[in-house]
Amino acid sequence: EVQLVESGGGLVKPGGSLRLSCAASGFTFSSYSMNWVRQAPGKGLEWVSSISSSSSYIYYADSVKGRFTISRDNAKNSLYLQMNSLRAEDTAVYYCARGPPVGLFDYWGQGTLVTVSS
Amino acid sequence: EIVMTQSPATLSVSPGERATLSCRASQSVSSNLAWYQQKPGQAPRLLIYGASTRATGIPARFSGSGSGTEFTLTISSLQSEDFAVYYCQQYNNWPRRTFGQGTKVEIK
Repeated sequence: EVQLVESGGGLVKPGGSLRLSCAASGFTFSSYSMNWVRQAPGKGLEWVSSISSSSSYIYYADSVKGRFTISRDNAKNSLYLQMNSLRAEDTAVYYCARGPPVGLFDYWGQGTLVTVSS
Repeated sequence: EIVMTQSPATLSVSPGERATLSCRASQSVSSNLAWYQQKPGQAPRLLIYGASTRATGIPARFSGSGSGTEFTLTISSLQSEDFAVYYCQQYNNWPRRTFGQGTKVEIK
């Protein structure tokens, strides 16, 4: 069974930093690209970042480019999102999602809430 | 950026009835369109990809159609567990995938 478990969310002040983690199990992690997708409270879904299976290709939404860094450790079956210079508008539930080659999101974690507030 | 527009925002349907949800893309996305279901407090679940292919384990009452810029998700006979928010997502403009704003299917 595919499982994705996020952690690392919490309350942080504007301008602060946070590192999210996603632990994967139930599939060959190193064979899949991985993604972060977020959802602001009461709002829709927004793709944030993607990383290819070998970390060769990395992409960011314009809204987070230069502030967020995605990475992965295939030996640990883990995905990460380093978030710096956080803003109030980054407040959201952050989901880790598996990405088969075509570009959709076939399995999602339960999400971790990031709140940016003073 | 490809803008995805879903209609209606809210759909009120009685159990057992058919629900038809629409999704329009601002430019052609071919058949690179997925649908997700999200229940309160839960993560989204993939329902349909390739505009019309059901994901693993998705009941046959869910069907998708369309191509280019116009897409439809049909739930043939609504069950109690189907009341949720549904999102469409294009993955033609990879990696800049975009979602619609969602359609809430509520009990009439």
